[in-house]
Amino acid sequence: SQTIHQWPATLVQPVGSPLSLECTVEGTSNPNLYWYRQAAGRGLQLLFYSVGIGQISSEVPQNLSASRPQDRQFILSSKKLLLSDSGFYLCAWSPRQSTEAFFGQGTRLTVV
Amino acid sequence: DAKTTQPTSMDCAEGRAANLPCNHSTISGNEYVYWYRQIHSQGPQYIIHGLKNNETNEMASLIITEDRKSSTLILPHATLRDTAVYYCIVNPGGYNKLIFGAGTRLAVHP
Repeated sequence: SQTIHQWPATLVQPVGSPLSLECTVEGTSNPNLYWYRQAAGRGLQLLFYSVGIGQISSEVPQNLSASRPQDRQFILSSKKLLLSDSGFYLCAWSPRQSTEAFFGQGTRLTVV
Repeated sequence: DAKTTQPTSMDCAEGRAANLPCNHSTISGNEYVYWYRQIHSQGPQYIIHGLKNNETNEMASLIITEDRKSSTLILPHATLRDTAVYYCIVNPGGYNKLIFGAGTRLAVHP
């Protein structure tokens, strides 16, 4: 069966520090991959999605970037965190040609 | 992308059916209706989807009107654990991007 791993579960980082969040999927190949952010009390914002290795679509201009170095690995990065980057970050995957998505447990990031 | 309209919040008594409406009056012929829910502090969970026929699974039923301009998600016997934000999303088949709206906050009361 398919599983999605996302870590760490919680993270506290100082302003100006770098960020790297990793997400991996097991049990499937060639998935669509997504990064979402949810600020406190707000809705889910799609940040990036990818349909293949090296193919990244950015939905919102911001301080973050994403990469997909392997088929089932999706990384969210920042060179210098801002206070406004705080939030709940979720990775998800869906089969190709489907919007039935499966989400990881999320990373709660607090920038201080 | 077709847009959806959902009530901001709804209440339901435990054990009763919860009927969550969604309006998607601009839906196109190749667009599916998807439902997800997000329980507090967790990632969204896929519930069900359909094109034109009514659908049922172990979690819920999806009723789509004949003109496909609206749909209703039915939780037949709501429990306290069904308290969550429910999202209705319309996407073409094979579409890769998944955008969430504001959803409906369902509160199930004892």
